[in-house]
Amino acid sequence: DVKVTQSSRYLVKRTGEKVFLECVQDMDHENMFWYRQDPGLGLRLIYFSYDVKMKEKGDIPEGYSVSREKKERFSLILESASTNQTSMYLCASSHPRNEKLFFGSGTQLSVL
Amino acid sequence: DAKTTQPNSMESNEEEPVHLPCNHSTISGTDYIHWYRQLPSQGPEYVIHGLTSNVNNRMASLAIAEDRKSSTLILHRATLRDAAVYYCILSEAGGTSYGKLTFGQGTILTVHP
Repeated sequence: DVKVTQSSRYLVKRTGEKVFLECVQDMDHENMFWYRQDPGLGLRLIYFSYDVKMKEKGDIPEGYSVSREKKERFSLILESASTNQTSMYLCASSHPRNEKLFFGSGTQLSVL
Repeated sequence: DAKTTQPNSMESNEEEPVHLPCNHSTISGTDYIHWYRQLPSQGPEYVIHGLTSNVNNRMASLAIAEDRKSSTLILHRATLRDAAVYYCILSEAGGTSYGKLTFGQGTILTVHP
C-alpha cells in the first residue's frame, strides 16, 4: 500500500520553541505539500515542493519554512512556535502527471 | 482560483444512494473537477476526478453537467463508513499548478443506520 507517513500524531510544544514536522512518502512522488486544517477554515496550503531543494509558498506561509533535501522527505519548520500555530498539520504528495493527492494521517500540534 | 459551492451538510440512510451536489459556475475549460473525502481523525482521501465526461470507479460515480458549471458525486449505496466530509475542488491541469488543490468547507455527510 502506498503511504505518506507523518512522524508524530500528537505534539505539544511551548511558545518560542523550534518545531520540526516530518513527512515521508514511499511513492517516489515529485510533488509534496503541507496544509494546516482549522475548524471553520478548512484546509489551507502552507508550502509545497515540486522537486528536491525546490519550494513554493502556498496561501499562508508566514511563520513557516520548509526543507526538501531528499525526494521522499518534506519537513515543515516552525522557527519560533506561537499559540496561533496550534492546528492539525497534513502532509500530502502526488505525481506530477497524476493529480491524485495522497495524504498522511496528520499531526495535531498544540503550542502552549 | 475558480471556486466551488457545496451544501454544508446532507443526510442519508444506509444502503440508499447519495447525490452530493457541487456548483462551479466560473470553471474554466482546463479545470478538472476533483472529489476528496475526509473520514473522522484522518487525512483526506481521493475519491474521483474528471474533466468533461462522467466517470465511474469502485468508490463512486461523478456526473458532470454538459455546461460543466455543476457536478454531482454519487455514492450508489451509502454505508456507515461513508460518513465523512466531502470536498469538491477544481484544479488546473499542468502548468505551474504542480497539482496543488484549494479545499473549501465541504459537505458533511451523515449516514443513518
